[in-house]
Amino acid sequence: GENVEQHPSTLSVQEGDSAVIKCTYSDSASNYFPWYKQELGKRPQLIIDIRSNVGEKKDQRIAVTLNKTAKHFSLHITETQPEDSAVYFCAASTRGDYKLSFGAGTTVTVRA
Amino acid sequence: NAGVMQNPRHLVRRRGQEARLRCSPMKGHSHVYWYRQLPEEGLKFMVYLQKENIIDESGMPKERFSAEFPKEGPSILRIQQVVRGDSAAYFCASSRRDINLDTEAFFGQGTRLTVV
Repeated sequence: GENVEQHPSTLSVQEGDSAVIKCTYSDSASNYFPWYKQELGKRPQLIIDIRSNVGEKKDQRIAVTLNKTAKHFSLHITETQPEDSAVYFCAASTRGDYKLSFGAGTTVTVRA
Repeated sequence: NAGVMQNPRHLVRRRGQEARLRCSPMKGHSHVYWYRQLPEEGLKFMVYLQKENIIDESGMPKERFSAEFPKEGPSILRIQQVVRGDSAAYFCASSRRDINLDTEAFFGQGTRLTVV
């Protein structure tokens, strides 16, 4: 099955700086890569996703890049704000499959 | 649209008791997924259901765990004879179609099960 690895496990950044989280996946057939943000005690919420026919996608301060050859994808948060502090999970899904395989999560702390 | 609703939010059970977790998907969603999250870990897939059908239960332990999604009513995840290792947050997600078909999965708030 799919194996998703996520790094780093914790990330502390100064407010206004950028944060980058990287994930690798094992199944070359994977074609859907969502990112979820989970605040303490709350539900995971989709913040951005990318499908394998796109190399990069941006939504305001958040961007995701995908490198299918290397089988990795990254989340970029620019101009970080205190409300960006949360746990971020990457995930992957394979065409013809429906379950998401999640990374272990990155705890992001934005220092004011 | 109220979103994916799970109840209870918190559940405490003694070892050996049964736990029943409920999930009402978003309106118009017929695909339900259950995930388990252990402390400081990612979510692990357990089971995928459509109305009245279990499509994939490969992530669910074969003993003590069962799931259903009846024609009427919420999806139920049942854990019989709970043990301390079952303590976790259980999240339900729903989607309108298969998440691989240009749709996304929405998560509920989760049920935090504590076995004492």
